[in-house]
Amino acid sequence: KAGVTQTPRYLIKTRGQQVTLSCSPISGHRSVSWYQQTPGQGLQFLFEYFSETQRNKGNFPGRFSGRQFSNSRSEMNVSTLELGDSALYLCASSLAGGVLDTQYFGPGTRLTVL
Amino acid sequence: AQSVTQLDSHVSVSEGTPVLLRCNYSSSYSPSLFWYVQHPNKGLQLLLKYTSAATLVKGINGFEAEFKKSETSFHLTKPSAHMSDAAEYFCVVTLYAGGTSYGKLTFGQGTILTVHP
Repeated sequence: KAGVTQTPRYLIKTRGQQVTLSCSPISGHRSVSWYQQTPGQGLQFLFEYFSETQRNKGNFPGRFSGRQFSNSRSEMNVSTLELGDSALYLCASSLAGGVLDTQYFGPGTRLTVL
Repeated sequence: AQSVTQLDSHVSVSEGTPVLLRCNYSSSYSPSLFWYVQHPNKGLQLLLKYTSAATLVKGINGFEAEFKKSETSFHLTKPSAHMSDAAEYFCVVTLYAGGTSYGKLTFGQGTILTVHP
């Protein structure tokens, strides 16, 4: 069974631009979560989608948004990029996003904002 | 509120010696606890998870962890380190808190394990 895939793997953008990251979950998984990883803040939860609905979100500004499609693939969008948005963005999929579910992570998208 | 503290930011061991990575959690309810490993420029891989069954949990690559409720700890151990174990390790907690728990993992700050030949 194929793992979680993320595209692109690397991105370089400039301040003020917007960016869209994509995540394809493991087949059969309906929950997709997104995380931001930085050296200073560590791994932080952004949001979770299940059946095309955002069920949970972390403490990030509204510039960070996402969506999920009917095939469970998910996209994350960051508008008006700031230097501090440079990070590794990880997505994870699980069967249903429950507390007992195991989340499986993709390799991440490395975003650099100049 | 739930939180997780990894007591060491860096641990250095020699190949063939035991590994101990320490983790304490704070939770008002029974948590689910995980250890993930991240090799350089890679995603996170699940090592093991505890979900209120046996308190001693065995994972992949010879790692195991023991849940101790009285000490609110979930330390990760391995009897004999291998060079390939060098990576960053994350202790992770999640618990049921209604809608705010869906799909949300709370990560410790990570412990970088260095293995010397």
